[in-house]
Amino acid sequence: AQKITQTQPGMFVQEKEAVTLDCTYDTSDQSYGLFWYKQPSSGEMIFLIYQGSYDEQNATEGRYSLNFQKARKSANLVISASQLGDSAMYFCAMREPPYNTDKLIFGTGTRLQVFP
Amino acid sequence: DAGVIQSPRHEVTEMGQEVTLRCKPISGHDYLFWYRQTMMRGLELLIYFNNNVPIDDSGMPEDRFSAKMPNASFSTLKIQPSEPRDSAVYFCASSSGDQPQHFGDGTRLSIL
Repeated sequence: AQKITQTQPGMFVQEKEAVTLDCTYDTSDQSYGLFWYKQPSSGEMIFLIYQGSYDEQNATEGRYSLNFQKARKSANLVISASQLGDSAMYFCAMREPPYNTDKLIFGTGTRLQVFP
Repeated sequence: DAGVIQSPRHEVTEMGQEVTLRCKPISGHDYLFWYRQTMMRGLELLIYFNNNVPIDDSGMPEDRFSAKMPNASFSTLKIQPSEPRDSAVYFCASSSGDQPQHFGDGTRLSIL
């Protein structure tokens, strides 16, 4: 069963606008972690933001924020004030217990294109 | 701080040849992961190590693939013999404790 679902294969947004990339997850554990990574066309994987399942506040890192809705099992990435350099693939990932494995499960990704 | 370092960045070789991909994790990280990324299958975990010991190699596609981590600062992924379907981008990542995984820049492998 797919544990991380990203239903938007592609998204378009105009520069300076905000955009939300969707991610839903499936787990029966109470303790887990959620991550977002960015992969620009140059290919590297860049860590963006992390949300722990027990964190009461939504995570924020600069222009990135995570809209965490635990009951809905969603962890959407919000990018505010989009820039042309935000054009990339974005992957949602989850880490489940036992944490000593440190394994991540990745979604299939969303390709974001920012236009002027 | 130096990130995860992979070499080579690009590799083009003929079918049947041995291919060795190399990875230097971030100093102090005790987990190391090898991933493969293709258009068809996305990002797949091949194998991971904890404190230099292989923990889970269930993602290794077949016996032609092998991985080693002789010490805390070096790991290799070997394909012998290589086949065209092995063409992909191979990533190495490392992590420690609750920290996120940090990825290398990847090796783009083409098997002709």
